[in-house]
Amino acid sequence: NAGVTQTPKFQVLKTGQSMTLQCAQDMNHEYMSWYRQDPGMGLRLIHYSVGAGITDQGEVPNGYNVSRSTTEDFPLRLLSAAPSQTSVYFCASTYTRSASPLHFGNGTRLTVT
Amino acid sequence: AQSVAQPEDQVNVAEGNPLTVKCTYSVSGNPYLFWYVQYPNRGLQFLLKYITGDNLVKGSYGFEAEFNKSQTSFHLKKPSALVSDSALYFCAVRDTDKLIFGTGTRLQVFP
Repeated sequence: NAGVTQTPKFQVLKTGQSMTLQCAQDMNHEYMSWYRQDPGMGLRLIHYSVGAGITDQGEVPNGYNVSRSTTEDFPLRLLSAAPSQTSVYFCASTYTRSASPLHFGNGTRLTVT
Repeated sequence: AQSVAQPEDQVNVAEGNPLTVKCTYSVSGNPYLFWYVQYPNRGLQFLLKYITGDNLVKGSYGFEAEFNKSQTSFHLKKPSALVSDSALYFCAVRDTDKLIFGTGTRLQVFP
């Protein structure tokens, strides 16, 4: 099993550009989520989904959009990148409404200049 | 809202010595608590969790954690540290459909 796959691994954007961070999982997990990791701030939840067709906001959703058209995929869209969005982004998945741990991808390092 | 706090940014310990990484929580109701580890340039890996039952929880790589309800703590421990344990450690608490993380503690084990 591949687990949780994130692409790309690295990305540099200019302010105002848009892009989509891809996340796919092959474990048939209903729950998927996006976090950003910044020094001294730990991981902060951006958006999450408890199943296909359902999404909700986390702690820091502004500037990001998500959709969940399939169980496997949960892309994160930056509509107009800002330097404050420079961060490492992690996608994670698990079974919904359970005590199962999150499975994380290896992250996407995004720099906005 | 549920939250966790990790009061130490960094913990230094000599190889072979016991280690403790601290975590305190603030929840309403019974907490679901987790510990994760992050090695350089990797995603987080699950170490252990407390849901209910025994207050001492055993996990991966020889780690264990003690749930203390009166002190609202869930400290991560290991009897004998290895240099390879050096990493970033995160405590987390489940809040309905969300997992809320602490700010992380960097563990440095010196030979």
